[in-house]
Amino acid sequence: EAGVTQFPSHSVIEKGQTVTLRCDPISGHDNLYWYRRVMGKEIKFLLHFVKESKQDESGMPNNRFLAERTGGTYSTLKVQPAELEDSGVYFCASSQVITSPLHFGNGTRLTVT
Amino acid sequence: DQQVKQNSPSLSVQEGRISILNCDYTNSMFDYFLWYKKYPAEGPTFLISISSIKDKNEDGRFTVFLNKSAKHLSLHIVPSQPGDSAVYFCAASDSGGGADGLTFGKGTHLIIQP
Repeated sequence: EAGVTQFPSHSVIEKGQTVTLRCDPISGHDNLYWYRRVMGKEIKFLLHFVKESKQDESGMPNNRFLAERTGGTYSTLKVQPAELEDSGVYFCASSQVITSPLHFGNGTRLTVT
Repeated sequence: DQQVKQNSPSLSVQEGRISILNCDYTNSMFDYFLWYKKYPAEGPTFLISISSIKDKNEDGRFTVFLNKSAKHLSLHIVPSQPGDSAVYFCAASDSGGGADGLTFGKGTHLIIQP
C-alpha cells in the first residue's frame, strides 16, 4: 500500500509570500492530521480532519494558516502571508480509525527567509 | 509548557547492549502512550504503544514500561542494533485509547555504536 505522501518535500519562500502544502493520505484513511516541528523542538499537533470535516483545529497557530480537505481525500495547508517563525517541518499523518497509530508522511521542510 | 518531556537529547549505546529511553509526562489525563522512531528526512514511524490500564507491553526487541504514579514511561530495546540509530519520540494522548491530537516530546537521538 502506498504511504502518506507530501508535496513539496522542500519549500523556500520569502516572508510575506504564500505557500501551499499538500498531503495525500493512505487510501481509505478517514482521519488526516497536520503536525509541525520547529527546529529542535517537539512535534506539535495542528489539526485533525475526519473525512472533509475539521474535527479539531485547536493547534492552528493563527488565522494565517488555512487547511482544507475537499472531498475527504487529499488535504492542503496554506500559509498566507508566511512569517519567519513559520519555518519548520510540516508533517501530515493519517489513520483508518481514530484508535489506530498514525502513519506519517516524510514531511515538507518550509524555510521562510 | 511541555506536557511530555524527554530530558535526554541524545543517548549512545554499544551494539548488543540494552538501550533505555525515558519519557515523563505531566498531564494526568493522558491515557495512551506511543513511541515513534524517526530517521533523517523521513516521517516518524510507529514503534509500540501502551494503554494506561497496562504497565508493560512487549513487541520483539522492544518493551515499553509505564509507571502511572510516577508519570513516567520508558522504552527498552534489547539487544540494540545499528539500525536502531534514530530519533525516538515519546507521544501521549488523552482520547481514551485513540491517537487523536498526540502530544509529543522533543525526541532522543539514539546512537548505536559498533
